Amino acid sequence: GAVVSQHPSRVICKSGTSVKIECRSLDFQATTMFWYRQFPKQSLMLMATSNEGSKATYEQGVEKDKFLINHASLTLSTLTVTSAHPEDSSFYICSARPPWDNTEAFFGQGTRLTVV
Amino acid sequence: SQQGEEDPQALSIQEGENATMNCSYKTSINNLQWYRQNSGRGLVHLILIRSNEREKHSGRLRVTLDTSKKSSSLLITASRAADTASYFCATVPTTYGNNRLAFGKGNQVVVIP
Repeated sequence: GAVVSQHPSRVICKSGTSVKIECRSLDFQATTMFWYRQFPKQSLMLMATSNEGSKATYEQGVEKDKFLINHASLTLSTLTVTSAHPEDSSFYICSARPPWDNTEAFFGQGTRLTVV
Repeated sequence: SQQGEEDPQALSIQEGENATMNCSYKTSINNLQWYRQNSGRGLVHLILIRSNEREKHSGRLRVTLDTSKKSSSLLITASRAADTASYFCATVPTTYGNNRLAFGKGNQVVVIP
């Protein structure tokens, strides 16, 4: 099956700093990747759709300037949390689908962000 | 907005018992999928059922879909301690572009050895 790798798995940063999270498709090219946010014991909330070579599509209520998404290659999408605050602390997960199967989504391992 | 919604359940069962969880959604869908998430990890796809299917099996998993009631159920038979996880249903609404998934709230299942 397809493999999606996310890095780092955990990060602690100070308020006001920026944090970059990487999402890589290891054995397939992904023109589209998805970024989710998950609060403890809650469901996944879609934040944005990352499109290779073009601007990301953000869901309603998600600040574009706060959560910068770059999808510069067919195997890498990055999410940068800018000027992080404690309320940005959360679990961030990316997913992608391989071109041979447009139904099942493959997820990264997730990134636990803690802003202190 | 979230389209798939499970009945909020936290199941605690003994190993060997069956675990059943439900999901309801609001709009027309192309398919419905169930995913599993171990604590602090990403999601793993379990099974997909298309809108024209009523029941599907995969190993110890059995999923049903009732499009008239806009609901689905996931049954795990002969549960094992390793089945302890959160289970989410996700739908692909027909109105969504690029096959975005809409996730439900999730069911936390604890299987006691």
